[in-house]
Amino acid sequence: AQKVTQAQTEISVVEKEDVTLDCVYETRDTTYYLFWYKQPPSGELVFLIRRNSFDEQNEISGRYSWNFQKSTSSFNFTITASQVVDSAVYFCALSEGNSGYALNFGKGTSLLVTP
Amino acid sequence: EAQVTQNPRYLITVTGKKLTVTCSQNMNHEYMSWYRQDPGLGLRQIYYSMNVEVTDKGDVPEGYKVSRKEKRNFPLILESPSPNQTSLYFCASSLPQGKPQHFGDGTRLSIL
Repeated sequence: AQKVTQAQTEISVVEKEDVTLDCVYETRDTTYYLFWYKQPPSGELVFLIRRNSFDEQNEISGRYSWNFQKSTSSFNFTITASQVVDSAVYFCALSEGNSGYALNFGKGTSLLVTP
Repeated sequence: EAQVTQNPRYLITVTGKKLTVTCSQNMNHEYMSWYRQDPGLGLRQIYYSMNVEVTDKGDVPEGYKVSRKEKRNFPLILESPSPNQTSLYFCASSLPQGKPQHFGDGTRLSIL
């Protein structure tokens, strides 16, 4: 069963729009970690953020913000005032202790930001 | 510079010809892993290693072998490659217990 669901396969926005990428996860562990990675067209995987299960504080980093809600098992990612350089595939991932802390990735959301 | 280095970056080969993709990290990380990325399937873990001489299967280990004789190296071995192993492969390393994984730049394998 898929442990991380990214329901949005593709999103297209116009520059300066805000966009939210959804991530829903499933785990029975009490200790787990959630991640977001970015894969630009050049192909490398870039780490964006890590959250542990005990820290539900939202986080803001420049135009990026993350909303972690354990009650809904969601870890959503918002880009404010999107730019063309934000065009990439974004992956949400879950790491659990009972699987050796392997990263379980969602299938990714492809974001296209047009001028 | 902290990095994970994979070689080769690209390889086209034929069915059955053994190949090895090397992975090396210079961050003294205990944890290393291999993933493959396929369209529509995202990234799936092949094998991982918690430390030297400790390896375990991920979600899609069939057709692959790994070894961890030294902390910095974690080669991926395809003993008898087949076309269904055509994919983009990533090596990653991290400190243990859910720390962020650092990824190599990827190896694109085509098995004809």
